[in-house]
Amino acid sequence: KQEVTQIPAALSVPEGENLVLNCSFTDSAIYNLQWFRQDPGKGLTSLLLIQSSQREQTSGRLNASLDKSSGRSTLYIAASQPGDSATYLCAVRRNYGQNFVFGPGTRLSVLP
Amino acid sequence: EAGVAQSPRYKIIEKRQSVAFWCNPISGHATLYWYQQILGQGPKLLIQFQNNGVVDDSQLPKDRFSAERLKGVDSTLKIQPAKLEDSAVYLCASSLEWGQKNTEAFFGQGTRLTVV
Repeated sequence: KQEVTQIPAALSVPEGENLVLNCSFTDSAIYNLQWFRQDPGKGLTSLLLIQSSQREQTSGRLNASLDKSSGRSTLYIAASQPGDSATYLCAVRRNYGQNFVFGPGTRLSVLP
Repeated sequence: EAGVAQSPRYKIIEKRQSVAFWCNPISGHATLYWYQQILGQGPKLLIQFQNNGVVDDSQLPKDRFSAERLKGVDSTLKIQPAKLEDSAVYLCASSLEWGQKNTEAFFGQGTRLTVV
């Protein structure tokens, strides 16, 4: 059974810092991995999708990497801003057409 | 492109009452998911549809939860009777599922259920 963990559970940083969020999964046989952002009381917003054959994906100040063999993914946020404050969740899918298994999330606070 | 629509946004009911949630996925998306998110946790899959067929409902508490997706478009999730531990956010998501590049999942705003 796939299990996904995220470290740290919560993170508070001053504005402008670069930061890394970690996601680990127990079964390396994944189809893809998706990072989401969730604002309080809201749904999930997709940030980046990495296929199993890819090593990283970039979107603006965000960069996500994937190391399938070690069961890890990292989300790098450059030059953090207060607007980045949210909970960040990673989710993995085992096979095409199957559902996503989520981690518990990292709650990020960027202080002005 | 319109996103995943869910209603209602909020619902408060007493235990043992029934409640229903509605989801309209992104047009053309074949796969629809219902997730339950308890406060402080990641979402947990309740049921997954491919068009109007069930792909995975292994974690759906079938004694009280039911879901349907008529005509492979809209979906409803029902709880009857509700328990206190059903208090959570119920998220609906959809994905296109046409080729490797179309498996990104898109989520609705969710329905926050409080059972008192």
